[in-house]
Amino acid sequence: ELKVEQNPLFLSMQEGKNYTIYCNYSTTSDRLYWYRQDPGKSLESLFVLLSNGAVKQEGRLMASLDTKARLSTLHITAAVHDLSATYFCAASYSGAGSYQLTFGKGTKLSVIP
Amino acid sequence: GAVVSQHPSWVICKSGTSVKIECRSLDFQATTMFWYRQFPKQSLMLMATSNEGSKATYEQGVEKDKFLINHASLTLSTLTVTSAHPEDSSFYICSARGNPHRRAAYEQYFGPGTRLTVT
Repeated sequence: ELKVEQNPLFLSMQEGKNYTIYCNYSTTSDRLYWYRQDPGKSLESLFVLLSNGAVKQEGRLMASLDTKARLSTLHITAAVHDLSATYFCAASYSGAGSYQLTFGKGTKLSVIP
Repeated sequence: GAVVSQHPSWVICKSGTSVKIECRSLDFQATTMFWYRQFPKQSLMLMATSNEGSKATYEQGVEKDKFLINHASLTLSTLTVTSAHPEDSSFYICSARGNPHRRAAYEQYFGPGTRLTVT
């Protein structure tokens, strides 16, 4: 059974600082996803990581994947208030045929001016 | 492209009544649709996976007789919460996956969610 753990679950950071959210998964996964969720809203897709060593960047967010360590990271550079949201990672394994996603518990990020 | 809609966006119903939530893929054919439930301050929990034209596969602990899922076409799946109770109050989110032969087959596209409140 695929399990996904995120940490930290809560993150309060000052504007301008850098920080990393970690996502570990328990068994073989061939895709790792990062999503953002604002309060009362659905999920917004940020990144899909498909292979070992994959790195993707969009603005102040950068995601990476290490399949050997079963670890993905979401790095936040020079945080701004607009980044305040809950971030979820999710993993899937296509071998099951259904592409089901298993989500982490989410990291609630608060960026303080 | 790859837009998924849900209707209604919010609904309030009385205990004991049934509520139907629609999930539509607007610009692509969704061979598989997923239904999730999210309680406040919690993560998304997969309820069921539905493939067009076949019965839905429910996750352990999800009552199939209470949460009826119909995936009648490649663009529409419905979730009916039967005999709703206050504990069914939650945020219900659907997602859709496209044709597995297309490049973005692994992508799931999420609907905007439906907030259900049962009084």
